[in-house]
Amino acid sequence: KAGVTQTPRYLIKTRGQQVTLSCSPISGHRSVSWYQQTPGQGLQFLFEYFSETQRNKGNFPGRFSGRQFSNSRSEMNVSTLELGDSALYLCASSSNRVSTDTQYFGPGTRLTVL
Amino acid sequence: AQTVTQSQPEMSVQEAETVTLSCTYDTSESDYYLFWYKQPPSRQMILVIRQEAYKQQNATENRFSVNFQKAAKSFSLKISDSQLGDAAMYFCAYRRGGGATNKLIFGTGTLLAVQP
Repeated sequence: KAGVTQTPRYLIKTRGQQVTLSCSPISGHRSVSWYQQTPGQGLQFLFEYFSETQRNKGNFPGRFSGRQFSNSRSEMNVSTLELGDSALYLCASSSNRVSTDTQYFGPGTRLTVL
Repeated sequence: AQTVTQSQPEMSVQEAETVTLSCTYDTSESDYYLFWYKQPPSRQMILVIRQEAYKQQNATENRFSVNFQKAAKSFSLKISDSQLGDAAMYFCAYRRGGGATNKLIFGTGTLLAVQP
């Protein structure tokens, strides 16, 4: 079974631009969560989707948004990029059939904002 | 709000020796899960071990075991017979129970070096 995939793996953008990151969960998984990882702030929860509905959101500005499609693939978008948005963005998926389900992480997308 | 604290930014262990990584957490909830995740350099985060709060027995996965002290809100990870491949950043994480969310709250991580 293929793991969680994230595209692209690396991105370089300039301030003010917008970016879209993609996450394909493990086949059959309906829950996708996004995290931002930086050296200063560590791992912070962005948002979580389940069956195309956002069911939890972290403390990030409205420039950060996401969505989930009917095939469970998810995208996150960051508009008006700032230097501080440079980070590793991780996606995790789980089947969510039972509360003890394990979350599996993707390799991440490393975003650099110049 | 729930918090997770890892007070050891870096640890070092000799190959074949045992090391314990510390984690404390704070929550007012009774139903929750605790996790240790491993993130090797430039590689994917993987689950090492999981503990359900309602279980008194400490979880064990091969060379990895936890010491779960619920009253003290402590959740330490013991790695026995350390191997070079154990070198990584280790994160302790908390998740609310009940199945309504998969949101993980992470600690700041402990960077483990394994000396040959």
